[in-house]
Amino acid sequence: AQSVTQPDIHITVSEGASLELRCNYSYGATPYLFWYVQSPGQGLQLLLKYFSGDTLVQGIKGFEAEFKRSQSSFNLRKPSVHWSDAAEYFCAPLGTASKLTFGTGTRLQVTL
Amino acid sequence: EAGVAQSPRYKIIEKRQSVAFWCNPISGHATLYWYQQILGQGPKLLIQFQNNGVVDDSQLPKDRFSAERLKGVDSTLKIQPAKLEDSAVYLCASSLGGVRNEKLFFGSGTQLSVL
Repeated sequence: AQSVTQPDIHITVSEGASLELRCNYSYGATPYLFWYVQSPGQGLQLLLKYFSGDTLVQGIKGFEAEFKRSQSSFNLRKPSVHWSDAAEYFCAPLGTASKLTFGTGTRLQVTL
Repeated sequence: EAGVAQSPRYKIIEKRQSVAFWCNPISGHATLYWYQQILGQGPKLLIQFQNNGVVDDSQLPKDRFSAERLKGVDSTLKIQPAKLEDSAVYLCASSLGGVRNEKLFFGSGTQLSVL
């Protein structure tokens, strides 16, 4: 069965520190992969996506993600976190029938 | 450009009552999606429209949920009768084409509480 796992429910980092949010997927073939962010009171916004090619993809707001086929992972990273990055982050593989499946999310808290 | 509009923003009803949500997608977007997001979970696709035709409604509880997209623009999602477990945020999203090549634009959602 197709599934996506975000192992970390809640992460707290200090402003200026680096960030890595984990995402693992289980699909028969490599799916398209997306990261979305949901800020309080706002709709979901696409951060970045991976279809094929270069395994390191750049997104908006200084985020990047690396696709690792051997580990079935697509982790999201940011070198230096800003207080405004506090939000919920969702990994979302696109599987069969073009169905986008969202993970359970990781809530990021940023301390000043 | 204007974003995806949803109303109402909040709704509180008692179980067994009915409720309807409205969505106005971004102008020109052919594909419209309704997602249900239960607290602590990621959004789950309920139904996907391409223009005014249904592409995927495999996870829509059809005994109580219904949705329509007349004229391929606005859409309404209805629940009748509501159950306690329907308490969630209902998100509408739209895209120019299919999700494979186009990013989804999400509305702010309607938060439903069923008492």
